[in-house]
Amino acid sequence: EPEVTQTPSHQVTQMGQEVILRCVPISNHLYFYWYRQILGQKVEFLVSFYNNEISEKSEIFDDQFSVERPDGSNFTLKIRSTKLEDSAMYFCASRGGQLLSGNTIYFGEGSWLTVV
Amino acid sequence: RKEVEQDPGPFNVPEGATVAFNCTYSNSASQSFFWYRQDCRKEPKLLMSVYSSGNEDGRFTAQLNRASQYISLLIRDSKLSDSATYLCVVISNDYKLSFGAGTTVTVRA
Repeated sequence: EPEVTQTPSHQVTQMGQEVILRCVPISNHLYFYWYRQILGQKVEFLVSFYNNEISEKSEIFDDQFSVERPDGSNFTLKIRSTKLEDSAMYFCASRGGQLLSGNTIYFGEGSWLTVV
Repeated sequence: RKEVEQDPGPFNVPEGATVAFNCTYSNSASQSFFWYRQDCRKEPKLLMSVYSSGNEDGRFTAQLNRASQYISLLIRDSKLSDSATYLCVVISNDYKLSFGAGTTVTVRA
């Protein structure tokens, strides 16, 4: 089964530092997403990305966050000047967008970020 | 009103029992519906899509009620391994994905 891969699986960073979370979506997928889940809370939408630009973002996705698809395969989430409350599991996801089963969204295993 | 709402549970059931729960959605133009399963500190994994006619996959049955705007998941003959959080995911006609907060199911021996 095709899969979305994420690195690192776990990162500990000091408050104020920048982190980059990396994702390799499923190769023929067209839509990419970042979600986060604070421990014990619901999955929250951060941003969606299509055709090399952000298509939608949530209120959480402020100037501290940015996304890039630098080389046609990787999809990165950058968090600048991390805060304690950024500690969460960050999930990357992708969706085909094609006619057949294009709406099924597949998640990576997540990157667990701990800000200390 | 939240876009997608689920009964958080927890539903504590004995092995072999049947458990069912719903997910309501607010956007009547929603077009695609899914149930995902999430284990603690793991990523959500697709359990099943929900089709208009209802569908079954082994012990799991999913139904869609467009008139009342809800989907349901029924688990028959519960196993210990069914213990998880079940997330409802709804995709609107403009491809916006909305997640429910999840329903926790605990199956006890």
